[in-house]
Amino acid sequence: AQSVTQPDARVTVSEGASLQLRCKYSYSATPYLFWYVQYPRQGLQLLLKYYSGDPVVQGVNSFEAEFSKSNSSFHLQKASVHWSDSAVYFCALSPTGGYKVVFGSGTRLLVSP
Amino acid sequence: EAAVTQSPRNKVAVTGGKVTLSCNQTNNHNNMYWYRQDTGHGLRLIHYSYGAGSTEKGDIPDGYKASRPSQENFSLILELATPSQTSVYFCASGDAGQGRAEQFFGPGTRLTVL
Repeated sequence: AQSVTQPDARVTVSEGASLQLRCKYSYSATPYLFWYVQYPRQGLQLLLKYYSGDPVVQGVNSFEAEFSKSNSSFHLQKASVHWSDSAVYFCALSPTGGYKVVFGSGTRLLVSP
Repeated sequence: EAAVTQSPRNKVAVTGGKVTLSCNQTNNHNNMYWYRQDTGHGLRLIHYSYGAGSTEKGDIPDGYKASRPSQENFSLILELATPSQTSVYFCASGDAGQGRAEQFFGPGTRLTVL
């Protein structure tokens, strides 16, 4: 069975600091991988996706993520966070690019001034 | 602008009552999904659809029905609502199977069953 683990339920960083949100997945092959962001009282919005190729993928708003097959990970990074980045971030995988998407439990990011 | 909209945005229902949540998408996607979001669980798939007239069970379908009368519309029906169905419900659309697995979400419906 496929699964996604986000080990940090909450992360607090100072504005201007760098950020890494961790994501580990379990799947026998290379899945399609995603990061979504959810702002208060809104639906999820796609930040970035990985299908194949370059393991470092760029997303919106200067976010990037790095896929590691050896570590079964897809960590999200940003060089300098802004207060507006405060939100809940979800890592997700799709085993075959089909209908099924498995979501992690989310990481709540708080950016302090 | 392509979008996924949901109605109502907030709903209070009584135990045993019938609740219908509606979703409309203008993305022209074949696939549509209903999820519920609860603290600590992320998103869990209730029902999904490959196109008009089709509905399929997701991971937690018990107590829910779905209806897809057209490409654009997908409803979630709670025939006999229970307090355990208090949650935030999200509809999504996507083109899974076309090499694109990302989904596009509506703003959510907050349902409270008293």
